[in-house]
Amino acid sequence: DAGVTQSPTHLIKTRGQQVTLRCSPKSGHDTVSWYQQALGQGPQFIFQYYEEEERQRGNFPDRFSGHQFPNYSSELNVNALLLGDSALYLCASSLLRDSYNEQFFGPGTRLTVL
Amino acid sequence: AQSVTQLGSHVSVSEGALVLLRCNYSSSVPPYLFWYVQYPNQGLQLLLKYTTGATLVKGINGFEAEFKKSETSFHLTKPSAHMSDAAEYFCAVSGALDSSYKLIFGSGTRLLVRP
Repeated sequence: DAGVTQSPTHLIKTRGQQVTLRCSPKSGHDTVSWYQQALGQGPQFIFQYYEEEERQRGNFPDRFSGHQFPNYSSELNVNALLLGDSALYLCASSLLRDSYNEQFFGPGTRLTVL
Repeated sequence: AQSVTQLGSHVSVSEGALVLLRCNYSSSVPPYLFWYVQYPNQGLQLLLKYTTGATLVKGINGFEAEFKKSETSFHLTKPSAHMSDAAEYFCAVSGALDSSYKLIFGSGTRLLVRP
């Protein structure tokens, strides 16, 4: 049973560019959440998707957008990259009816903005 | 609103010694509490969770944590540290019953294990 997978593993971009990160949830899961983890900090919630809709959003600007596909996989898009967007981006999947909200994390995509 | 405070950004113990990582939370609703571990260049792995019921929770790799509502704490312990326990540990909270699906993380505690 495959866990949460993310691609790419690493990415280097320059300021002003756009980036797309991808996530495939754990088999059987229907909900995907995205987190940003800056160096030396805990993960910060970006948003969560369920049934192809954004269900909840954290305190991130509109430059951060997402999408969920019918197969439950998800993309995170960041436009107009800033140096401060450099971070590890984590995807987590869960089952909405799991009222305990146990989230399973992928290995992350490390984004470096130069 | 919810928040998590992890006291001590770095904790150093000798191999075989007790591990104690502190976590205090703030939540306006009954909380669900989690401890995750992160090894270098990897994602997060769930160690244990408290949802309802027994307040002493046992997790993987010999770790356990106790939910103390009166102290708003959820400290992580392990009786005897092993070199392989060296990693970053994160405490997290989410809200039960209020549709708050996001996890709120603390800033993490790096555990160093001395030979």
